[in-house]
Amino acid sequence: DTAVSQTPKYLVTQMGNDKSIKCEQNLGHDTMYWYKQDSKKFLKIMFSYNNKELIINETVPNRFSPKSPDKAHLNLHINSLELGDSAVYFCASSHGGVAEAFFGQGTRLTVV
Amino acid sequence: ELKVEQNPLFLSMQEGKNYTIYCNYSTTSDRLYWYRQDPGKSLESLFVLLSNGAVKQEGRLMASLDTKARLSTLHITAAVHDLSATYFCAVDRNEKLTFGTGTRLTIIP
Repeated sequence: DTAVSQTPKYLVTQMGNDKSIKCEQNLGHDTMYWYKQDSKKFLKIMFSYNNKELIINETVPNRFSPKSPDKAHLNLHINSLELGDSAVYFCASSHGGVAEAFFGQGTRLTVV
Repeated sequence: ELKVEQNPLFLSMQEGKNYTIYCNYSTTSDRLYWYRQDPGKSLESLFVLLSNGAVKQEGRLMASLDTKARLSTLHITAAVHDLSATYFCAVDRNEKLTFGTGTRLTIIP
């Protein structure tokens, strides 16, 4: 069983489109995250949710909107996609305020 | 703002050799983690270091933490090809992970 799963794995879309990435975890964790990994492999946190509440919101354009319908899901919606949004987006989860995170397989987003 | 730096960024080493990757961070932290990432894959947790002087070993990898120096090391002993990957350290502060720049390790036969 996959612990943290993201869909889709690959996403190619045109500038200006709106897209969503879904994430689900079956580990029973109470905290979920979105990370962005750029072309230089640099990883940066975007958001974290604890029990469906937004905890961390880094300096991210407001075109990015996370949504957590329940503790096991954290989706990422992106409006008006730009070329610079091209990256690999990782979902992760952890438990009890300990930040050791378990990562999904990543979604490679390419904006053309 | 917490800064986490790793060096080297790139490392090619021959099989059988030993080497160390360094991770420096700028402010006090709660915990430090080491992750491995294979090309096109997710991140796999290797070690969690909780306190000053902590040392953990798994196979040919050994990680240590010196909180006074704000330094963690990942030591590779007698490298084998399977260890080729990118290694990240990550510092936990206020329940947020800040990642280092990563070290891309290539083991040459």
